[in-house]
Amino acid sequence: DIQMTQSPSSLSASVGDRVTITCQASHEISNYLNWYQQKPGKAPKLLIYDASNLETGVPSRFSGGGSGTNFTFTISSLQPEDIATYYCQKYDTLPMYTFGQGTKLEIK
Amino acid sequence: EVQLVESGGGLVQPGGSRRLSCAASGFSVSSNYMSWVRQAPGKGLEWVSVINPGGSTYYADSVKGRFTISRHNSKNTLYLQMNSLRVEETAVYYCARVRSGGFDPWGQGTLVTVSS
Repeated sequence: DIQMTQSPSSLSASVGDRVTITCQASHEISNYLNWYQQKPGKAPKLLIYDASNLETGVPSRFSGGGSGTNFTFTISSLQPEDIATYYCQKYDTLPMYTFGQGTKLEIK
Repeated sequence: EVQLVESGGGLVQPGGSRRLSCAASGFSVSSNYMSWVRQAPGKGLEWVSVINPGGSTYYADSVKGRFTISRHNSKNTLYLQMNSLRVEETAVYYCARVRSGGFDPWGQGTLVTVSS
C-alpha cells in the first residue's frame, strides 16, 4: 500500500503569512492528489484536486503543486477564516484512497 | 442543490451491527462512485469503502468481511451495513460522492459509538 506522509502535523502562523504544507507519497502517484480543509465540527471540503486544480469558488490564495511523490499546499496570505485542519489524499485506479495525517493550522 | 444526508448513527455494543443510510439529492447515486469515510474522535480521516456505477465494491482492509456498502437506486440512497463492530470503530461516518478521485460533496456525518 502507498503511504502518505504529511507535514507538519501542526503549524502556527500570523495573519498575512505564507503557509506551506507538504505531503509525500511512498511511491509515485502522478498527480492523483487532493487537498481538503476541515473546520471543527464540520465535514471536510475539497479545495484542490489533481494536485494543482482549484475547486470552483475556492479563494485564489490557496494553491497546490507537485507530482510524483512530493506535493505542496500553499496559502499565500493567511486569513483568520483559514484556521482549520488540512488533509492531503491520494487515489488510484484500484480504487484505493489514503489520507495524510492532517495539519492543524492555528493563528499565532 | 447537490446534497447528502446521513442517518442511522447511535450507540451499539461491541460485536453488534448498525446500518447507516445516506440520502442523496441533486444527483444520482447510481451514476457516481460513492464512498464512506470515517473519523474517530480527535483523529484523522480514514477511507472505508466505495461502490462504483457498475455495482462493484471495494473496502479498506480494516473493514473487509465485516462491512458492506450498497445502494438503492430508486431511493437514491447509499448504505453501509456494519457488523462485528469494535470499540475502536467509534467515529463520525461520512458519505461522499467521488469526483475526479476526490470526495465532494460530503454529508454532515453521523456518529457511531461502539461501547458497552
